[in-house]
Amino acid sequence: AQKVIQVWSTASRQEGEELTLDCSYETSQVLYHLFWYKHLLSGEMVFLIRQMSSSTAKERSGRYSVVFQKSLKSISLVISALQPDDSGKYFCALWELSLPSNTGFYFGKGTSLTVIP
Amino acid sequence: AQTIHQWPVAEIKAVGSPLSLGCTIKGKSSPNLYWYWQATGGTLQQLFYSITVGQVESVVQLNLSASRPKDDQFILSTEKLLLSHSGFYLCAWSLNRNSGNTLYFGEGSRLIVV
Repeated sequence: AQKVIQVWSTASRQEGEELTLDCSYETSQVLYHLFWYKHLLSGEMVFLIRQMSSSTAKERSGRYSVVFQKSLKSISLVISALQPDDSGKYFCALWELSLPSNTGFYFGKGTSLTVIP
Repeated sequence: AQTIHQWPVAEIKAVGSPLSLGCTIKGKSSPNLYWYWQATGGTLQQLFYSITVGQVESVVQLNLSASRPKDDQFILSTEKLLLSHSGFYLCAWSLNRNSGNTLYFGEGSRLIVV
């Protein structure tokens, strides 16, 4: 079963709008981290923001912020003031501390965003 | 600043031919290294990880092998490619896989097996 689910495979918005990308996850671990990455057309996967399971702080990095609903096992990425360069594929990822062979990152299938100028 | 570089950027190879993908990390000593793979339309899967030189652990069996001949180098290879090996391969590093440190990725290598 997939541990990280990104329901929307595609999304599009106008430049200047705000977008929320949803992600749900499954874990039985107490300690875990959640990440958002952006996959550029060049192939590079760029780290955007991290949310630790133990943190209640609303994480923010520039125009990126997250909405973390721990009880619902949900984490959303909010991108404000969208720009055409924000177009790309966004991946949600879960890291959990588990058995040595299972410790690691689990990625969703990604959401492709198109920002219309 | 740390940099991670992968090569080649893209390859088209025949079924049954050998493959070697490389990854080099500069600016960080003793990183934890990883190979990830994404089939078309699929999600990223961790294939291998390495905590130190000469030690590689396999996570998913795909008839591929990996080696870490130097502290800053990670190689993914196979002697016989399968059609199912097509996809996008990403090398990544982190400080410590057991601490949930951020993964930093290279530019990726796209492989098409025909």
